[in-house]
Amino acid sequence: DGGITQSPKYLFRKEGQNVTLSCEQNLNHDAMYWYRQDPGQGLRLIYYSQIVNDFQKGDIAEGYSVSREKKESFPLTVTSAQKNPTAFYLCASKIGGGLAGTTGELFFGEGSRLTVL
Amino acid sequence: AQTVTQSQPEMSVQEAETVTLSCTYDTSESDYYLFWYKQPPSRQMILVIRQEAYKQQNATENRFSVNFQKAAKSFSLKISDSQLGDAAMYFCAYRSPLYGNKLVFGAGTILRVKS
Repeated sequence: DGGITQSPKYLFRKEGQNVTLSCEQNLNHDAMYWYRQDPGQGLRLIYYSQIVNDFQKGDIAEGYSVSREKKESFPLTVTSAQKNPTAFYLCASKIGGGLAGTTGELFFGEGSRLTVL
Repeated sequence: AQTVTQSQPEMSVQEAETVTLSCTYDTSESDYYLFWYKQPPSRQMILVIRQEAYKQQNATENRFSVNFQKAAKSFSLKISDSQLGDAAMYFCAYRSPLYGNKLVFGAGTILRVKS
């Protein structure tokens, strides 16, 4: 079945460690997104990528890094520079990565819960 | 920058009754899209309904409908004949055709359905 797979579902990290969250999609979508969800704040955009080998910072990119070497993969690294990384992270994808408006729906993965010990 | 405001942190509705969730947004653009997403306890985000700003007709999907007031920048969601499975967090979201089509979300409204 087509969809978005995020792993791991739960991750614990010690302070000072970098961790990488995986996001893989087999929908042949051009655009991919990473959102962070905190209680009472909705979803905030960390990074997004419209095509392979290209990505842009979202609203809260500090302390995070991404890569887009393959169309189907968009991993997110939470670095030690991120001061408050405990959160729920959602990856999403959409067909049509260009700047022109589309009605393409955003598909979400099931999320990854990161806890810093 | 666009902002989305959901002024109701929590709402309750009796099963089979109707409930309306509020959403307002701020933008200077004339062409954009609006969405309502549902997030049940499983945390999977599910698209409920979408509205294109250039369409005057309000979108409808079965028991879900919207009241889109472009001049007032208001986009409320009406759920008719509420069911227990409707209990979830609901997010209103705005998407501009610019800036990579990224979505801007409101803070969410928790909907509780009483049997």
